[in-house]
Amino acid sequence: DIRMTQSPASLSASLGETVNIECLASEDIYSDLAWYQQKPGKSPQLLIYNANSLQNGVPSRFSGSGSGTQYSLKINSLQSEDVATYFCQQYNNYPYTFGAGTKLELK
Amino acid sequence: EVKLVESGGGLVQPGRSLKLSCAASGFSFNDYWMGWVRQAPGKGLEWIGEINQDSSTINYTPSLKDKFTISRDNAQNTLYLQMSKLGSEDTAIYYCVSTTGWFAYWGQGTLVTVSS
Repeated sequence: DIRMTQSPASLSASLGETVNIECLASEDIYSDLAWYQQKPGKSPQLLIYNANSLQNGVPSRFSGSGSGTQYSLKINSLQSEDVATYFCQQYNNYPYTFGAGTKLELK
Repeated sequence: EVKLVESGGGLVQPGRSLKLSCAASGFSFNDYWMGWVRQAPGKGLEWIGEINQDSSTINYTPSLKDKFTISRDNAQNTLYLQMSKLGSEDTAIYYCVSTTGWFAYWGQGTLVTVSS
């Protein structure tokens, strides 16, 4: 199985700040990577697919980048509604696997 | 509007079976691969498996392949997850998802609690 290592596990940031979350795959996943946002008590929501494609309706302050084994999610100008847990997921190989999540809180 | 509504969760005793359903609406269900993802309380996400449009291809995560069975009824726009030999480790929220590799649409989830 491909192991997805997310960092940091938790993060505290101020409103308006830029936030970066990293995801490291145990092998090359050829940009077959998605990012999800999960707010407390809610289902996850797709933010990014194919490493850098923004899902319809997702604010443009979210962006994804990376290739090979290293990927990142960037949130520009942090808003209060961005408080959530973020997960990465690879779909290059079965079984599909997720990172353990990054919990983002406001400072 | 795309809607995925799971049902069938609840309290079940260890070793028993349970079948979950997912009713889909707002999109052409029979054009999509569909799947299941679960999340243990306070934990991360685990992919269970997926099924293609005509049920000719079904993929599972290896550790669950002998316990769980995914099926669908395109006439009823419904996805199913048959779970057997349930243990405490199967306690989780079970989500129905549309899948293109990534999961664009998610249901609200149904909670399965395995306990005596």
